[in-house]
This record gives sequence, structure tokens and C-alpha cells, in this order.
Amino acid sequence: QSALIQPASVSGSPGQSITISCTGTSSDVGNYNRVSWYQKHPDKAPKLVIYEGSERPSGVSNRFSGSKSVNTASLTISGLQAEDEADYYCCSYAGSSTLIFGGGTKLTVL
Amino acid sequence: EVQLVESGGGSVQPGRSLRLSCAASGFTFDDYAMHWVRQTPGRGLEWVSGISWNSGTIGYADSVKGRFTISRDNAKNSLYLQMNSLRAEDTALYYCAKDSHDFDYFHYWGQGTLVTVSS
Repeated sequence: QSALIQPASVSGSPGQSITISCTGTSSDVGNYNRVSWYQKHPDKAPKLVIYEGSERPSGVSNRFSGSKSVNTASLTISGLQAEDEADYYCCSYAGSSTLIFGGGTKLTVL
Repeated sequence: EVQLVESGGGSVQPGRSLRLSCAASGFTFDDYAMHWVRQTPGRGLEWVSGISWNSGTIGYADSVKGRFTISRDNAKNSLYLQMNSLRAEDTALYYCAKDSHDFDYFHYWGQGTLVTVSS
């Protein structure tokens, strides 16, 4: 069970778009349509922002979108806002009733 | 409104045990899988364990397999995590999380309970 690979940090200016990648293997990201993304602000519980690779929960801004290609999933945030500054984690089902997270990406809004 | 309230955290010496509980409300508890996820400053979020609605399917991260046991009591709308042989690296904030259905994704989260393992 090796963690999914995410960049440690990304940054962007207000109004810009950023993309966070999440690289796994054919045993997890590439084999299941069960990639989810979570936003984590300090001292707050994680919040689901994308599920099943590209679906957005009710109440989540349409500035958040997700996609997947082979073994890599991506989270794109468009029209960056100051409130988007947070840590972001991807997660995938990995078979045999297990799930695995990425190492997390710190988003800085400049 | 979905509510998940964790309890049972605390400070414990290495090798000792601790039992976490999660009280659920606001949804039909026995319709959903449930999970424990922990956060450490150095390693971010880590899935610890999950259990299906009827306890028929259970999974553990390799890091806790053989030491932790997940269970649920649907009559009490409660989820548990028995943690034995605790190690310093188990120090973390432990979250209870509700699945969307069955090992899909974490739809709702509690606020967490802190476990500190130190001599």
C-alpha cells in the first residue's frame, strides 16, 4: 500500500486556474472509478469536493472539477479565490476493501 | 443533519491499548459503510480501516493490520476502533467518516479525537 503521488505544493494568483495531479497504479487509480478529492483547512475536518473521479457533491462550487487518465487523476480549480487556500488530498479504492490517500498538496493563493 | 462524534482519544504509553468510539446520527446508520481515517502532521491523511454496513467486509491499512480492530453496533448507531500495541507513529487525530455506500468515498466526517502515544 504505497501512497498515491501528489505534488507537495502548487500556487496560483486569484482568478487563475491550477491543477493538482494524483498518480497511482493500475491496481488503484487505473483500475477503479473511485477517486475522490478532499479539501482540508487547518483545524477543520476534511471536505469532499470531488467523487467518482469527476462528480461534484451538492454545494461544492463548479470551479472544482476532476478528471482521470490511465493511472493519474487530476483536480482543477478555476477562478482561484483566497478561500481555496488549503491542503488537498486524493483518495482511491485500492481493492481488497482498502483505500489509499495521496500525500497531500498545499495550495497557496498568491 | 449528519453528525459524527468521536470520543475515546487520549494520551497513552507505547504498547498500551485504547478504544475509540464514534456516535452517528442524522442518517440510517446500517445502510452505510463506515471508516476511520487519521491525520498526522508528517504524513497527512491516512485511511486506517473500514467496515461494511453489516460488518461482512472489513479492511485495514497495512500499518495497523493485526493491531487494530474495527467494529460497529448498528443498534447503537456506533462505530468503534480497538487499538492495541500502540506505537509512537500511531499518534494522530482520528476521524470517523461515513461512506457514500460501500468503500466508495468519505461523504461526511466527524471532528476527530486526538490520540497521543508517548512514554
